[in-house]
Amino acid sequence: GPKVLQIPSHQIIDMGQMVTLNCDPVSNHLYFYWYKQILGQQMEFLVNFYNGKVMEKSKLFKDQFSVERPDGSYFTLKIQPTALEDSAVYFCASSDWARSYEQYFGPGTRLTVL
Amino acid sequence: GDSVTQTEGLVTLTKGLPVMLNCTYQTTYSPFLFWYVQHLNEAPKLLLKSSTDNKRTEHQGFYATLHKSSSSFHLQKSSVQLSDSALYFCALSVQLNSGYNKLTFGKGTVLLVSP
Repeated sequence: GPKVLQIPSHQIIDMGQMVTLNCDPVSNHLYFYWYKQILGQQMEFLVNFYNGKVMEKSKLFKDQFSVERPDGSYFTLKIQPTALEDSAVYFCASSDWARSYEQYFGPGTRLTVL
Repeated sequence: GDSVTQTEGLVTLTKGLPVMLNCTYQTTYSPFLFWYVQHLNEAPKLLLKSSTDNKRTEHQGFYATLHKSSSSFHLQKSSVQLSDSALYFCALSVQLNSGYNKLTFGKGTVLLVSP
C-alpha cells in the first residue's frame, strides 16, 4: 500500500540546537500532518499543511516550530531552538483530499533533546 | 474538548483466545472512529473505520461496532494470532474550523500474544 517515509528514524541533539525532521509523503497526496507522541502518552495533532500553507495548528505547535515543503520535496518540521520537552516521537501523515478520513502515517522520528 | 479513552495499557493473551480492546470517546460533533495498528518499528496502519451507528465493520478478522448511545467503538477478534501482537490506537476524527480533519488519539493498547 501507499507508504510515508520519515528521515531520520532517530535524532539526538543538544538543547538549543536546530533540528529538521523530514517526511516523504505518498506521491499524489496534497495534505500533510505532523503529530507528536511523548513516551507513554497519546499521539497529539500538531499541524496540517496544504498548498504551501499551515491550515490549522494546535497549542503544541510552538513559535519555535515551522513546517514547509519546498518545491514538492520533503515535508519538513523544523524546531529552532529545541527544548527538553520537545523530546518525543514525531509522526508525519498525508492524505489525498482535505476531508479524507484516511491518513497514511510514517514510522515516526524519535527525537531526543539532551 | 474531544477525547478518546483506552482503558487498557497492556493486554496479554494466549494464541487462539478472543480479545476485546476498549475505546470510548467524547465529542460534540458527529463521530468518525478508527482503529490503527502499529507493529514494532513500523508506521501506524488503518485497521477499521466507522461512522455508522450500530453497524459492525470488519477487517482481517478484527471487528468493531460504533455505538453512539454509549460512545464506544471496542475492537474485537474471536481468536488472536501471534502476528496480532502490536500497539492498537483508537482515534476520533474531528473536523476543524478550516474544514480539514484531524485525528484525536487514545493512549494506545499493547496487545501481546503468547504461544
